[in-house]
Amino acid sequence: EAQVTQNPRYLITVTGKKLTVTCSQNMNHEYMSWYRQDPGLGLRQIYYSMNVEVTDKGDVPEGYKVSRKEKRNFPLILESPSPNQTSLYFCASSFLPGGEQYFGPGTRLTVT
Amino acid sequence: ILNVEQSPQSLHVQEGDSTNFTCSFPSSNFYALHWYRWETAKSPEALFVMTLNGDEKKKGRISATLNTKEGYSYLYIKGSQPEDSATYLCASNAGGTSYGKLTFGQGTILTVHP
Repeated sequence: EAQVTQNPRYLITVTGKKLTVTCSQNMNHEYMSWYRQDPGLGLRQIYYSMNVEVTDKGDVPEGYKVSRKEKRNFPLILESPSPNQTSLYFCASSFLPGGEQYFGPGTRLTVT
Repeated sequence: ILNVEQSPQSLHVQEGDSTNFTCSFPSSNFYALHWYRWETAKSPEALFVMTLNGDEKKKGRISATLNTKEGYSYLYIKGSQPEDSATYLCASNAGGTSYGKLTFGQGTILTVHP
């Protein structure tokens, strides 16, 4: 089944404790992207990747890191999480940036 | 940051009504315009992606049009059903070398009453 998976789905953590949210797709998509969704602010792009080893900032990259060492995986790293990073996070992938995005199930992160 | 705006913010209609929403985006340096449907507790799902001025796409009772010269797209739902209740998102890719950057509007929340 073609899908985008994210882990964990839910996470409660404390300020400053490094964490990684994994994202994996099995559709051989070149383009992958991370978004956060906050009430009243809609979906905002954090980082995107056009291909392996090619990543770039979206609109809200501060406090996040990404890597793309393999085509299928695009982990989101929070080196020192803060409460303002409490949000719902979505990973998505597509063949091209201008193509239909396939979204993962979302990760709800709470930073206390 | 691209400015992508959607209107109205929310809409209540009766079953059987036809409805439409608007998405406006910067017309300069256009690359692509996306529409997604997002049901509560699920993930957004793609409806359409359009790239050419004058594009029209249709999927069942839902259709969309694109005007890249004036920077707007319309999404139409004919004969709304309760299962059409969802948030409808549009998004635009920045043009030029930043075409990987995708900016979403805040969405239109549609509620269809039986």
